[in-house]
Amino acid sequence: AQRVTQPEKLLSVFKGAPVELKCNYSYSGSPELFWYVQYSRQRLQLLLRHISRESIKGFTADLNKGETSFHLKKPFAQEEDSAMYYCALSGHSNTPLVFGKGTRLSVIA
Amino acid sequence: NAGVMQNPRHLVRRRGQEARLRCSPMKGHSHVYWYRQLPEEGLKFMVYLQKENIIDESGMPKERFSAEFPKEGPSILRIQQVVRGDSAAYFCASSPPGVGNTEAFFGQGTRLTVV
Repeated sequence: AQRVTQPEKLLSVFKGAPVELKCNYSYSGSPELFWYVQYSRQRLQLLLRHISRESIKGFTADLNKGETSFHLKKPFAQEEDSAMYYCALSGHSNTPLVFGKGTRLSVIA
Repeated sequence: NAGVMQNPRHLVRRRGQEARLRCSPMKGHSHVYWYRQLPEEGLKFMVYLQKENIIDESGMPKERFSAEFPKEGPSILRIQQVVRGDSAAYFCASSPPGVGNTEAFFGQGTRLTVV
């Protein structure tokens, strides 16, 4: 069964502190992994995907197939990073995304 | 490109009424997905459509819910005889055709409240 687990509903960190949002997945095969972000009153938007291996807004995520994890990291949190973050997976092109329940990141000044 | 457009943004229906949610995909996108988000939950897949075809409706409730994506016009998610448990945010996403395109672009959602 396909499943995405985000164990933390809420994560609060101080500005300038490192951030790690956890994501574990269950999938029989090689999925594509994504992080989506939803800022207040805005639509869900793609933050990054594992196949591109890029850093967006200082965030990175490495796919660890052994641990079936795709944790999102940023070395120094900013107030504007406060948002809902959703981890998601897809089996292959154009197949529907499977989402985790999301983690609300709150960056405190 | 205006992005994925959903309307209405907010919809209030009495129990037993019908709800129609509309989604206009991004220009050039032929794949549409509907998701439902219940309070404190993640987005749950409902249905995947291409023009005039339902590709995957494994997430759709068996009764009262239907979806279409006609040749012309927006995709419609229709909920008949709504009940309080249908209250949720409904999100539409679209993606372009072709192999390798897995990025989905989301609309702002329709928040349905059943009273």
